[in-house]
Amino acid sequence: GAGVSQTPSNKVTEKGKYVELRCDPISGHTALYWYRQSLGQGPEFLIYFQGTGAADDSGLPNDRFFAVRPEGSVSTLKIQRTERGDSAVYLCASSYSGTGGGNTEAFFGQGTRLTVV
Amino acid sequence: GNSVTQMEGPVTLSEEAFLTINCTYTATGYPSLFWYVQYPGEGLQLLLKATKADDKGSNKGFEATYRKETTSFHLEKGSVQVSDSAVYFCALSKHGSSNTGKLIFGQGTTLQVKP
Repeated sequence: GAGVSQTPSNKVTEKGKYVELRCDPISGHTALYWYRQSLGQGPEFLIYFQGTGAADDSGLPNDRFFAVRPEGSVSTLKIQRTERGDSAVYLCASSYSGTGGGNTEAFFGQGTRLTVV
Repeated sequence: GNSVTQMEGPVTLSEEAFLTINCTYTATGYPSLFWYVQYPGEGLQLLLKATKADDKGSNKGFEATYRKETTSFHLEKGSVQVSDSAVYFCALSKHGSSNTGKLIFGQGTTLQVKP
């Protein structure tokens, strides 16, 4: 079956614009995560969905960032009034279940490289 | 808070050399520990994991042992190949009923293996 799919793979936008990044998880995976990876750094957690609900959004940097998962499968990360500091690779991951002490493997997409100019 | 620290790279080795990439962590309780690998042009992939103290994770010739006393999870391989060239990330995830499965990553270590 298909892995985690993220679109677009690359996005260039102007400062101040609005962007949406899409994640299509592995079918049947109830847990979905968004991470942000800046150049030369490890991924940083943004938000976690269990089903349709955001169970943990403690990693969202500010209120310009928002994510939804209305039907419990595809998720969209939305960034308003983009800033140059938002430039990074945005990674999505899914797993069968988010609980269980990390015993279920998280599968990552290839990411969306966002560049704000 | 919870954190992961990895040795800085890049690490450059000749083929068949011995590899160690150091990883230490800070966490309350007893986390699960992971090594992820990112090959050029590909997404992050789980390489190996260990869920409790003294467990050894292994895969593709790589090994790492969960050392609670030194809060470490060093990655080792006895004989590296050119195809092992990639970025390696150490990560932890917390246990417990409130666990969300979110991963906390180190900054990554780039490995370059030369023929």
